[in-house]
Amino acid sequence: TQLLEQSPQFLSIQEGENLTVYCNSSSVFSSLQWYRQEPGEGPVLLVTVVTGGEVKKLKRLTFQFGDARKDSSLHITAAQTGDTGLYLCAGAGNYGQNFVFGPGTRLSVLP
Amino acid sequence: DAGITQSPRHKVTETGTPVTLRCHQTENHRYMYWYRQDPGHGLRLIHYSYGVKDTDKGEVSDGYSVSRSKTEDFLLTLESATSSQTSVYFCAIGARDVGQPQHFGDGTRLSIL
Repeated sequence: TQLLEQSPQFLSIQEGENLTVYCNSSSVFSSLQWYRQEPGEGPVLLVTVVTGGEVKKLKRLTFQFGDARKDSSLHITAAQTGDTGLYLCAGAGNYGQNFVFGPGTRLSVLP
Repeated sequence: DAGITQSPRHKVTETGTPVTLRCHQTENHRYMYWYRQDPGHGLRLIHYSYGVKDTDKGEVSDGYSVSRSKTEDFLLTLESATSSQTSVYFCAIGARDVGQPQHFGDGTRLSIL
Protein backbone atom coordinates (compact mmCIF):
# COMPACT_ATOMS: atom_id res chain seq x y z
CA THR A 1 0.00 0.00 0.00
CA GLN A 2 1.39 3.38 -0.97
CA LEU A 3 1.39 6.03 1.71
CA LEU A 4 1.75 9.76 1.42
CA GLU A 5 2.99 11.98 4.20
CA GLN A 6 2.50 15.73 4.28
CA SER A 7 4.37 18.34 6.27
CA PRO A 8 3.84 20.45 8.14
CA GLN A 9 0.51 19.28 9.48
CA PHE A 10 -0.46 22.83 10.45
CA LEU A 11 0.93 26.18 9.31
CA SER A 12 -0.07 29.65 10.40
CA ILE A 13 1.52 32.65 8.70
CA GLN A 14 0.97 36.34 8.12
CA GLU A 15 -0.39 37.69 4.86
CA GLY A 16 2.46 38.47 2.45
CA GLU A 17 4.79 35.72 3.66
CA ASN A 18 6.04 32.87 1.50
CA LEU A 19 5.59 29.21 2.41
CA THR A 20 6.32 25.71 1.20
CA VAL A 21 4.45 22.52 2.04
CA TYR A 22 5.69 19.05 1.26
CA CYS A 23 4.31 15.71 0.17
CA ASN A 24 6.54 12.65 0.55
CA SER A 25 6.41 8.92 -0.02
CA SER A 26 8.71 5.95 -0.22
CA SER A 27 6.82 4.81 -3.33
CA VAL A 28 7.05 5.98 -6.92
CA PHE A 29 3.97 7.66 -8.32
CA SER A 30 2.95 7.89 -11.97
CA SER A 31 1.25 11.19 -11.25
CA LEU A 32 0.55 13.43 -8.33
CA GLN A 33 -2.26 15.88 -7.73
CA TRP A 34 -2.73 18.82 -5.37
CA TYR A 35 -6.12 19.90 -4.05
CA ARG A 36 -7.33 22.71 -1.80
CA GLN A 37 -10.32 22.17 0.46
CA GLU A 38 -12.22 24.89 2.29
CA PRO A 39 -14.50 24.21 5.29
CA GLY A 40 -17.83 22.70 4.32
CA GLU A 41 -16.77 22.07 0.75
CA GLY A 42 -15.18 19.32 -1.29
CA PRO A 43 -11.55 19.37 -2.45
CA VAL A 44 -10.81 21.38 -5.57
CA LEU A 45 -8.16 20.09 -7.95
CA LEU A 46 -5.33 22.62 -8.38
CA VAL A 47 -2.81 20.77 -10.53
CA THR A 48 -1.63 17.39 -11.79
CA VAL A 49 2.08 16.69 -12.30
CA VAL A 50 3.23 13.62 -14.20
CA THR A 51 6.92 14.01 -15.12
CA GLY A 52 9.83 13.75 -12.70
CA GLY A 53 11.31 17.20 -12.16
CA GLU A 54 8.24 18.91 -13.56
CA VAL A 55 7.44 22.41 -12.33
CA LYS A 56 4.04 23.99 -12.81
CA LYS A 57 2.97 27.49 -11.89
CA LEU A 58 -0.54 28.64 -11.14
CA LYS A 59 -0.40 32.38 -10.40
CA ARG A 60 1.36 32.60 -6.98
CA LEU A 61 1.46 28.82 -6.54
CA THR A 62 4.42 26.75 -7.76
CA PHE A 63 4.22 22.97 -7.80
CA GLN A 64 7.21 20.68 -8.22
CA PHE A 65 7.36 16.93 -8.73
CA GLY A 66 10.56 15.30 -7.50
CA ASP A 67 13.00 13.81 -10.00
CA ALA A 68 12.35 10.32 -8.61
CA ARG A 69 8.58 10.90 -8.57
CA LYS A 70 8.40 10.11 -4.84
CA ASP A 71 7.81 13.61 -3.53
CA SER A 72 6.31 16.97 -4.37
CA SER A 73 6.21 20.49 -3.01
CA LEU A 74 3.83 23.40 -3.18
CA HIS A 75 5.27 26.90 -2.77
CA ILE A 76 3.03 29.92 -2.27
CA THR A 77 4.47 33.38 -2.81
CA ALA A 78 3.03 36.37 -0.95
CA ALA A 79 0.26 34.41 0.73
CA GLN A 80 -3.20 35.94 0.92
CA THR A 81 -6.04 35.26 3.35
CA GLY A 82 -7.88 33.56 0.49
CA ASP A 83 -5.17 30.88 0.43
CA THR A 84 -6.41 29.59 3.79
CA GLY A 85 -7.52 25.98 3.58
CA LEU A 86 -6.55 22.34 3.72
CA TYR A 87 -4.01 21.37 1.07
CA LEU A 88 -4.11 17.73 0.02
CA CYS A 89 -1.73 15.82 -2.18
CA ALA A 90 -2.77 12.57 -3.83
CA GLY A 91 -0.92 10.12 -6.02
CA ALA A 92 -1.47 7.20 -8.35
CA GLY A 93 0.76 4.13 -8.69
CA ASN A 94 2.70 3.22 -11.79
CA TYR A 95 -0.36 1.94 -13.63
CA GLY A 96 -2.82 4.48 -12.28
CA GLN A 97 -3.97 2.20 -9.55
CA ASN A 98 -4.12 2.71 -5.80
CA PHE A 99 -4.81 6.42 -5.89
CA VAL A 100 -4.25 7.62 -2.32
CA PHE A 101 -4.53 10.91 -0.47
CA GLY A 102 -2.16 12.37 2.06
CA PRO A 103 -3.56 13.62 5.39
CA GLY A 104 -3.21 17.27 4.37
CA THR A 105 -1.60 20.51 5.53
CA ARG A 106 -3.95 22.96 7.18
CA LEU A 107 -2.88 26.50 6.26
CA SER A 108 -4.08 29.64 7.99
CA VAL A 109 -3.11 32.98 6.51
CA LEU A 110 -3.70 35.81 8.97
CA PRO A 111 -4.43 39.40 7.90
CA ASP B 1 -18.19 24.53 -11.03
CA ALA B 2 -18.60 20.90 -12.02
CA GLY B 3 -22.18 19.71 -11.77
CA ILE B 4 -22.13 17.37 -8.80
CA THR B 5 -24.95 17.31 -6.28
CA GLN B 6 -24.93 15.25 -3.12
CA SER B 7 -28.04 14.60 -1.09
CA PRO B 8 -28.77 14.87 1.69
CA ARG B 9 -26.14 17.38 2.87
CA HIS B 10 -26.68 16.46 6.51
CA LYS B 11 -28.25 13.44 8.16
CA VAL B 12 -28.58 12.16 11.71
CA THR B 13 -29.76 8.62 12.22
CA GLU B 14 -29.62 5.76 14.70
CA THR B 15 -27.44 2.68 14.78
CA GLY B 16 -28.90 -0.20 12.83
CA THR B 17 -30.94 1.84 10.38
CA PRO B 18 -30.32 1.76 6.63
CA VAL B 19 -28.98 4.92 5.00
CA THR B 20 -28.65 5.83 1.34
CA LEU B 21 -26.62 8.75 0.06
CA ARG B 22 -27.08 10.02 -3.48
CA CYS B 23 -24.64 11.56 -5.91
CA HIS B 24 -25.89 13.13 -9.12
CA GLN B 25 -23.66 14.48 -11.88
CA THR B 26 -24.46 16.48 -15.00
CA GLU B 27 -20.97 16.15 -16.56
CA ASN B 28 -21.47 12.72 -18.17
CA HIS B 29 -18.17 11.57 -16.66
CA ARG B 30 -17.41 7.87 -16.79
CA TYR B 31 -15.90 7.43 -13.34
CA MET B 32 -17.62 8.10 -10.03
CA TYR B 33 -16.24 7.64 -6.53
CA TRP B 34 -17.35 7.63 -2.93
CA TYR B 35 -14.89 8.74 -0.25
CA ARG B 36 -15.11 9.26 3.47
CA GLN B 37 -13.08 11.90 5.28
CA ASP B 38 -12.13 11.50 8.91
CA PRO B 39 -9.66 13.41 11.10
CA GLY B 40 -6.27 11.74 11.04
CA HIS B 41 -7.16 9.53 8.09
CA GLY B 42 -7.69 11.97 5.26
CA LEU B 43 -9.82 10.89 2.32
CA ARG B 44 -10.30 7.14 1.89
CA LEU B 45 -11.94 5.45 -1.07
CA ILE B 46 -15.04 3.39 -0.28
CA HIS B 47 -16.22 2.25 -3.72
CA TYR B 48 -15.94 3.48 -7.26
CA SER B 49 -17.72 2.96 -10.57
CA TYR B 50 -16.27 2.81 -14.07
CA GLY B 51 -19.58 2.62 -15.88
CA VAL B 52 -23.25 1.81 -15.53
CA LYS B 53 -23.57 -1.29 -13.32
CA ASP B 54 -19.76 -1.54 -13.13
CA THR B 55 -18.44 -0.99 -9.63
CA ASP B 56 -15.48 -2.07 -7.52
CA LYS B 57 -14.35 -1.92 -3.92
CA GLY B 58 -12.01 0.63 -2.48
CA GLU B 59 -9.86 0.71 0.62
CA VAL B 60 -12.68 0.83 3.21
CA SER B 61 -15.63 -0.93 1.57
CA ASP B 62 -16.80 -3.12 4.47
CA GLY B 63 -20.34 -2.20 5.54
CA TYR B 64 -21.06 -0.25 2.35
CA SER B 65 -22.67 -1.10 -0.98
CA VAL B 66 -23.13 0.98 -4.11
CA SER B 67 -25.23 1.01 -7.23
CA ARG B 68 -25.07 2.83 -10.52
CA SER B 69 -28.10 2.29 -12.72
CA LYS B 70 -27.60 5.45 -14.75
CA THR B 71 -24.49 7.37 -15.80
CA GLU B 72 -25.51 10.36 -13.74
CA ASP B 73 -26.38 8.69 -10.43
CA PHE B 74 -24.20 6.82 -7.94
CA LEU B 75 -25.78 5.64 -4.70
CA LEU B 76 -23.98 4.68 -1.50
CA THR B 77 -25.89 2.49 0.97
CA LEU B 78 -25.14 1.65 4.57
CA GLU B 79 -27.30 -1.43 5.11
CA SER B 80 -27.15 -1.22 8.91
CA ALA B 81 -25.40 1.93 10.06
CA THR B 82 -22.86 1.80 12.87
CA SER B 83 -21.33 4.62 14.91
CA SER B 84 -17.97 4.00 13.20
CA GLN B 85 -19.57 5.14 9.96
CA THR B 86 -20.11 8.64 11.31
CA SER B 87 -18.12 10.73 8.84
CA VAL B 88 -18.23 13.22 6.02
CA TYR B 89 -18.87 11.49 2.72
CA PHE B 90 -17.73 12.92 -0.60
CA CYS B 91 -18.70 11.93 -4.09
CA ALA B 92 -16.25 12.59 -6.89
CA ILE B 93 -16.22 12.23 -10.66
CA GLY B 94 -13.54 11.88 -13.33
CA ALA B 95 -13.40 11.59 -17.08
CA ARG B 96 -10.00 9.94 -17.47
CA ASP B 97 -7.66 7.56 -15.67
CA VAL B 98 -9.60 5.33 -13.34
CA GLY B 99 -8.82 6.14 -9.74
CA GLN B 100 -8.02 9.83 -10.24
CA PRO B 101 -10.98 12.04 -9.28
CA GLN B 102 -11.15 15.46 -10.85
CA HIS B 103 -14.17 17.07 -9.22
CA PHE B 104 -15.74 16.61 -5.81
CA GLY B 105 -19.19 17.31 -4.44
CA ASP B 106 -19.66 19.38 -1.29
CA GLY B 107 -20.11 16.38 0.96
CA THR B 108 -22.70 14.77 3.21
CA ARG B 109 -22.19 15.01 6.96
CA LEU B 110 -23.57 11.79 8.45
CA SER B 111 -23.96 11.28 12.19
CA ILE B 112 -24.95 7.88 13.54
CA LEU B 113 -26.03 7.87 17.16
